[in-house]
Amino acid sequence: EAGVTQFPSHSVIEKGQTVTLRCDPISGHDNLYWYRRVMGKEIKFLLHFVKESKQDESGMPNNRFLAERTGGTYSTLKVQPAELEDSGVYFCASSQGLAHEQFFGPGTRLTVL
Amino acid sequence: GQQLNQSPQSMFIQEGEDVSMNCTSSSIFNTWLWYKQEPGEGPVLLIALYKAGELTSNGRLTAQFGITRKDSFLNISASIPSDVGIYFCAGRDHQGAQKLVFGQGTRLTINP
Repeated sequence: EAGVTQFPSHSVIEKGQTVTLRCDPISGHDNLYWYRRVMGKEIKFLLHFVKESKQDESGMPNNRFLAERTGGTYSTLKVQPAELEDSGVYFCASSQGLAHEQFFGPGTRLTVL
Repeated sequence: GQQLNQSPQSMFIQEGEDVSMNCTSSSIFNTWLWYKQEPGEGPVLLIALYKAGELTSNGRLTAQFGITRKDSFLNISASIPSDVGIYFCAGRDHQGAQKLVFGQGTRLTINP
């Protein structure tokens, strides 16, 4: 069974540009989560989808971040316009059900110059 | 927001030594999890704890859910080179909550 995949693995952009990160959850997992780790600090929750619906987006830092999961399969996280403080590693995770633990993808390392 | 204080931040040990790390919180958590992250990979779940006082082992790893529900520890016995990585504690702060709150991580380095 394939794990959670994320694309790209690395992205280097300039301040003010737009970047879109993609996450493909494990097949059949209705729950999809985005987290990020900034500058060696703790991994922080961004949001949670159940199928195509946003269940909890309390961790989204501001309106420059837009997450979508059309069709309830893969998800995208767009940052527009990117700022320096957005640099970090963005992780996606998925789980089969609410009572199941989350499996993490390898992350996308975003560097904003 | 919720915070988990994880210590130590880093450890440098000799192969064969035992390792201990812990996490504390100012509020109650209903689930405690321990993850390991290796370079280029995402966090991988090592041990999950669901009841206060629960002590669970996974090979050379042992973790406990504190009685007060505000702390957890992870022990690694007889460390080997492949134990190198960053260990994170994580928890859920109330029943039904799905989002995980993470500690800052403990970076483990082993000298052969």
